[in-house]
Amino acid sequence: DTAVSQTPKYLVTQMGNDKSIKCEQNLGHDTMYWYKQDSKKFLKIMFSYNNKELIINETVPNRFSPKSPDKAHLNLHINSLELGDSAVYFCASSQGSEETQYFGPGTRLLVL
Amino acid sequence: GNSVTQMEGPVTLSEEAFLTINCTYTATGYPSLFWYVQYPGEGLQLLLKATKADDKGSNKGFEATYRKETTSFHLEKGSVQVSDSAVYFCALTQGGSEKLVFGKGTKLTVNP
Repeated sequence: DTAVSQTPKYLVTQMGNDKSIKCEQNLGHDTMYWYKQDSKKFLKIMFSYNNKELIINETVPNRFSPKSPDKAHLNLHINSLELGDSAVYFCASSQGSEETQYFGPGTRLLVL
Repeated sequence: GNSVTQMEGPVTLSEEAFLTINCTYTATGYPSLFWYVQYPGEGLQLLLKATKADDKGSNKGFEATYRKETTSFHLEKGSVQVSDSAVYFCALTQGGSEKLVFGKGTKLTVNP
């Protein structure tokens, strides 16, 4: 059973389009995250939700909008895609005070 | 703010060589420290962690000791294998539901 899953795995799209990436975890965790990994492999937090509430929002353009319909899902919607949005996006989850975060396989986004 | 500094890569070793990847951190208080590994084309996997000073994390022959006096968490393995080729990330977090702060990653290549 996949603990943290993301769809799609690959996403190729044109500049200016709007796209969504979905994340689901079946670990029963109450906190979920989105991270961005750039072309140099650098990883940085974007958002964090705890029990469907936004708790971390780093300096991310407001074209990026996370949505958490329930504790098990955290989706990422991106409006007006730009070339610089090309990256690998990782979803992760953790449980309360348990600090270990479990990562999904990543979504490789390429904006042309 | 909190930060993690890893040795610059890439690192290339022959099979059965000794591995050290240096990691130092800057944080207030007592962070938890992690090593994550990313195999080619895959997501991040937790390799090991330590949550308090002098703790030693270990897994798959890898070890790292939480040294508060030197603010370090160096990763070591006595005898690397080709299958250890991956990118290794040192990271820290403080408290539950908090973001992971990553180092820039160190790419390891092990040749037969």
